[in-house]
Amino acid sequence: EVQLVQSGAEVKKPGESLTISCKTSGYTFSSFWISWVRQMPGKGLEWMGRINPSDSFTNYSPSFQGHVTISADKSSTTAYLQWSSLKTSDTAIYYCARNLDYYFGMDVWGQGTTVAVSS
Amino acid sequence: QSALTQPPSASGSPGQSVTISCTGTTSDVGGYNFVSWYQQYPGKAPRLMIYEVSKRPSGVPDRFSGSKSGNTASLTVSGLQAEDEADYYCGSYAGSSTFYVFGTGTKVTVL
Repeated sequence: EVQLVQSGAEVKKPGESLTISCKTSGYTFSSFWISWVRQMPGKGLEWMGRINPSDSFTNYSPSFQGHVTISADKSSTTAYLQWSSLKTSDTAIYYCARNLDYYFGMDVWGQGTTVAVSS
Repeated sequence: QSALTQPPSASGSPGQSVTISCTGTTSDVGGYNFVSWYQQYPGKAPRLMIYEVSKRPSGVPDRFSGSKSGNTASLTVSGLQAEDEADYYCGSYAGSSTFYVFGTGTKVTVL
């Protein structure tokens, strides 16, 4: 069974750094891109960026470029989303999702990680 | 990189059909046959319902169908059931600078 299991909820202060994870299993990790998607409270879905685990090549939405970093570790079949300096506006649920192919279609999703940033 | 435009809400009675539109531009929906649709229940992760405009992943009921004309894609749910009450989002490949864009989302209510 293909599964994406995300790390637990986080409560952080503005300016702090954070890395959340997405542990995959049940398929060949290097064969599928992994995307990250943000959902702010009561709002819609926003695509943030993705990584090709085979070579760690990344694409970012212009809206998120420079604000987050996406990485992957083939040895642990895990993808990561990282912030170096959180803002209160980063408060949201973050989902990882496997892409069917280069042109997207996200077929398997993690359960989501809630990030709360408050002073 | 504006979001694709969807109606905020749609509704229908059990057994009826409901169609949700998703309007973009020639840079996304109109330029590629890579439109997807996702269903999301409150507090849950999204689920892929349609990809590449009209293909259904395994396990998705054939009551769900997708189509596209020009810059507008559509999701039709036929034979509405109570369990279809959820939020629905479209998404489209948007080229090699924007990459991907979601729609604004539509809340479907089964009356």
